[in-house]
Amino acid sequence: KNQVEQSPQSLIILEGKNCTLQCNYTVSPFSNLRWYKQDTGRGPVSLTIMTFSENTKSNGRYTATLDADTKQSSLHITASQLSDSASYICVVSEDSGYSTLTFGKGTMLLVSP
Amino acid sequence: DAGVIQSPRHEVTEMGQEVTLRCKPISGHDYLFWYRQTMMRGLELLIYFNNNVPIDDSGMPEDRFSAKMPNASFSTLKIQPSEPRDSAVYFCASSLSRGLDYGYTFGSGTRLTVV
Repeated sequence: KNQVEQSPQSLIILEGKNCTLQCNYTVSPFSNLRWYKQDTGRGPVSLTIMTFSENTKSNGRYTATLDADTKQSSLHITASQLSDSASYICVVSEDSGYSTLTFGKGTMLLVSP
Repeated sequence: DAGVIQSPRHEVTEMGQEVTLRCKPISGHDYLFWYRQTMMRGLELLIYFNNNVPIDDSGMPEDRFSAKMPNASFSTLKIQPSEPRDSAVYFCASSLSRGLDYGYTFGSGTRLTVV
């Protein structure tokens, strides 16, 4: 069964610090991996999307990495801000079809002043 | 563009009542998706449409759930009769293209509470 496991489940960091969120998956065959940010009371917003051939992609202070061999991805947040407090969801696609998206349960990040 | 618009934002209903959730996708998007999010299960795809036609409804939990898309600018998700275990946040999303992240956008969701 395809699975996406995220760790940690929740995380508290001080404003200005860096942090790294992890995503391990068993989805096969692999098409792409996405990281979403979901603010409380809002829908998820895409941060990055990576295909098999990409191992790093950045979006401002967010940098995602992908190791397709070990089926691991990470999301690194640099110089965290209070507005980074949100749930971060890893989503893996088995093929180009949306029916085969597998969602992680997310990491809840709280940035404290 | 106003984005994907969902209504209502919050809905509280009694068990056994019919509930209708509404979605207006981004103009020009030809894919529309309905998701359900709970703490236990995270985000789950319920059904998706392409050009107003349902493509895959295998995620719909049971016959109490139904979805329609009568035109390119409107979709509904109906639960009849509603049960307490249906309590969740329901998201609608729309996209320009299947398989790529072209404009894949979620609405703000409808928080449904069935008492």
